[in-house]
Amino acid sequence: AQSVAQPEDQVNVAEGNPLTVKCTYSVSGNPYLFWYVQYPNRGLQFLLKYITGDNLVKGSYGFEAEFNKSQTSFHLKKPSALVSDSALYFCAVILNQGGKLIFGQGTELSVKP
Amino acid sequence: GAVVSQHPSWVICKSGTSVKIECRSLDFQATTMFWYRQFPKQSLMLMATSNEGSKATYEQGVEKDKFLINHASLTLSTLTVTSAHPEDSSFYICSVRGGGGNIQYFGAGTRLSVL
Repeated sequence: AQSVAQPEDQVNVAEGNPLTVKCTYSVSGNPYLFWYVQYPNRGLQFLLKYITGDNLVKGSYGFEAEFNKSQTSFHLKKPSALVSDSALYFCAVILNQGGKLIFGQGTELSVKP
Repeated sequence: GAVVSQHPSWVICKSGTSVKIECRSLDFQATTMFWYRQFPKQSLMLMATSNEGSKATYEQGVEKDKFLINHASLTLSTLTVTSAHPEDSSFYICSVRGGGGNIQYFGAGTRLSVL
């Protein structure tokens, strides 16, 4: 069965430091991978996606993610964290065109000044 | 991306009453919309897939008579929580799938509190 795992419930980073939010997936076939961010009491905002092509994907707000097929990972990264990046981050996968979006458990990112 | 409007953002109701939540796709004709439920600090649980002009497809374990979905037009889907009880209190979020690559765009969510 398809699944997505975010191994860390919470990530704490100091402002200005690089951040990484981890995601691994388990699907049979070629996945469509996504990252979303959720601020308190809000819906999800799309950050970036990987469908095919270059393994390094750049998205909104300076975020990027690297697709690693051998490690079945799609970690979210940002070179320099901002306090305003503090939010709940979700990794998600669709197996194929028109499939259901399957979410990871979410990782709460806290960036301290 | 698609702009999705969800209304109301917050609703408090008495136990036993019904509550309707609207999800509108403002700049995109959506044949498919999705309804999710989210508990605090947890992931989103897909409740149902709303199909324009036809019946919604419910996920296993979701009571279709409890959570009525209507998708009468390409821009509007509604979720009605019938005879709401305190255990139905949750954050409900809708989404629209649009654009290349199967991107889903989400509404701001509706927080339902049943007293």
